[in-house]
Amino acid sequence: SQQGEEDPQALSIQEGENATMNCSYKTSINNLQWYRQNSGRGLVHLILIRSNEREKHSGRLRVTLDTSKKSSSLLITASRAADTASYFCATAGSQGNLIFGKGTKLSVKP
Amino acid sequence: DTAVSQTPKYLVTQMGNDKSIKCEQNLGHDTMYWYKQDSKKFLKIMFSYNNKELIINETVPNRFSPKSPDKAHLNLHINSLELGDSAVYFCASSRAGSTGGVDTQYFGPGTRLTVL
Repeated sequence: SQQGEEDPQALSIQEGENATMNCSYKTSINNLQWYRQNSGRGLVHLILIRSNEREKHSGRLRVTLDTSKKSSSLLITASRAADTASYFCATAGSQGNLIFGKGTKLSVKP
Repeated sequence: DTAVSQTPKYLVTQMGNDKSIKCEQNLGHDTMYWYKQDSKKFLKIMFSYNNKELIINETVPNRFSPKSPDKAHLNLHINSLELGDSAVYFCASSRAGSTGGVDTQYFGPGTRLTVL
């Protein structure tokens, strides 16, 4: 069953702008993860935020988590053309797997 | 060194055939997974193996069977291929696959299966 829902489904911005993607989930979580998928490639882990954390940074990435609203956001600052990819949030399934949302397709134009 | 590798990268075959996709990880992880990504980019878990034991079997047809000869390998066998099996299949691995939180998963590059 699908757990996360990303919003928007697609986002197009200019290089240098910030990109914000949102994720909502349904059940309680221990952590939430964000992954990136470049076209024709596998998924790459970006960042993991635990349920007792509200915000986490990694380079140009900033992730927030609001467990009361069951939502998370991923902010990419000063975007680059190389950031063009699909971004997925993922939470834990009942037996150790990841449940992914449908993803946000980000296009960064040079 | 590639952490999680899959072969082949592309697989084109006829309906009714039997095919296998191989996966290997050199990360020393305990758990390996197979995910299916459909044409709408939706990723869904198919199987996972923890120490050679199947711990997930989602509602996939029994034409799909995972086989793990050792902790570093999880192969996917598909019998009697159907048109609807066309998708991208991803192998992944992680350190832990138990309840109470999921560790980071490392994905292979994917195998694009096309059934004609």
